[in-house]
Amino acid sequence: DAGVIQSPRHEVTEMGQEVTLRCKPISGHNSLFWYRQTMMRGLELLIYFNNNVPIDDSGMPEDRFSAKMPNASFSTLKIQPSEPRDSAVYFCASSLVAGGHNEQFFGPGTRLTVL
Amino acid sequence: AQTVTQSQPEMSVQEAETVTLSCTYDTSESDYYLFWYKQPPSRQMILVIRQEAYKQQNATENRFSVNFQKAAKSFSLKISDSQLGDAAMYFCAYRSAAGQFYFGTGTSLTVIP
Repeated sequence: DAGVIQSPRHEVTEMGQEVTLRCKPISGHNSLFWYRQTMMRGLELLIYFNNNVPIDDSGMPEDRFSAKMPNASFSTLKIQPSEPRDSAVYFCASSLVAGGHNEQFFGPGTRLTVL
Repeated sequence: AQTVTQSQPEMSVQEAETVTLSCTYDTSESDYYLFWYKQPPSRQMILVIRQEAYKQQNATENRFSVNFQKAAKSFSLKISDSQLGDAAMYFCAYRSAAGQFYFGTGTSLTVIP
């Protein structure tokens, strides 16, 4: 298996632009997580899907952030409009709720820079 | 909600020595899982070791072992014979029975040659 795939790996954009981050979870996994990591705030959970349904989005900072999971093999995190304080590394992770070893598998992350 | 606490923001260890990273958690559940993840400068999050709460035996993976104290809600990581490649940020994580994950704030480990 290729693991969790994220794209793009790096994104540089200007303030006010729309940014879309993409994630393909590991095949067969039924849970997907989006995290944001910064030096100041550490690793923050943004949103958590189970069977494509958002279960907990309390970590989404504000209305500028939205996440979708239209099917079991694809999710997006969108920021519109982007701001410099959104600059961070965004991780996607997937896991299997029942069975298996239960750990999360992380993607390589997307480093977002908003100028 | 469950919380995971890592009280050591930074730790250092001499190469070939042993170091222990601490982690405590708060939960009312009896069935859960605990993990240690390593994040080297490459940023990739790598699973180091896992522990099922129902198992009394402490997990071990080569030079890495845990001290799991369920009653005390403590889950420390011991790294033996530390190597330069062990230098990284280490995160303790809790997984509930329902599949939700909670991470600690991390401990930055420096290995001194």
